[in-house]
Amino acid sequence: DTAVSQTPKYLVTQMGNDKSIKCEQNLGHDTMYWYKQDSKKFLKIMFSYNNKELIINETVPNRFSPKSPDKAHLNLHINSLELGDSAVYFCASRQFTGELFFGEGSRLTVL
Amino acid sequence: GENVEQHPSTLSVQEGDSAVIKCTYSDSASNYFPWYKQELGKGPQLIIDIRSNVGEKKDQRIAVTLNKTAKHFSLHITETQPEDSAVYFCAGEDNTNAGKSTFGDGTTLTVKP
Repeated sequence: DTAVSQTPKYLVTQMGNDKSIKCEQNLGHDTMYWYKQDSKKFLKIMFSYNNKELIINETVPNRFSPKSPDKAHLNLHINSLELGDSAVYFCASRQFTGELFFGEGSRLTVL
Repeated sequence: GENVEQHPSTLSVQEGDSAVIKCTYSDSASNYFPWYKQELGKGPQLIIDIRSNVGEKKDQRIAVTLNKTAKHFSLHITETQPEDSAVYFCAGEDNTNAGKSTFGDGTTLTVKP
């Protein structure tokens, strides 16, 4: 009965390909996020949606496009993958402020 | 924007000893300071948090202190156990800034049995 679930957990792909990561939360939260964790474990926010509306868009290349079909889902599509995109991507949710609930992460490896 | 610095980057202690991790923040508007624990292969999980109207908060072996004047806050773990080994992240947030948390760079804590 996972609160925030991401798929896939692992993704290995070639440079130049397009890939998507999906996220779903069953906590009834209004706000969802995508974070990127690099090889040094640094956690950086990428995007945030509140009730399907984009509210945070950090300086992320426009090859990254989030999409929120409803407030329980936030997907991340990445075009023309580059080596530097290799990282663990975490989805998170919360009810506006307070505790962030993270998914287990999706490890993307670009070869 | 907010900048959060975290020290040390790695910390090794003997089981039973105490561990202290320190963070400083730059934005005086920040008013929410959570600490997250990330175990290997998992997402970060909140272990304790503090808001700016409180100076100290304790939950069993874990405590957090906040000094608003100096803009720093610390995590204290007493009687450490091997299962406390993980990466710990502090964060600072101004809850008027669209709920954006800025994370420190993390501290890898190793508790040796």
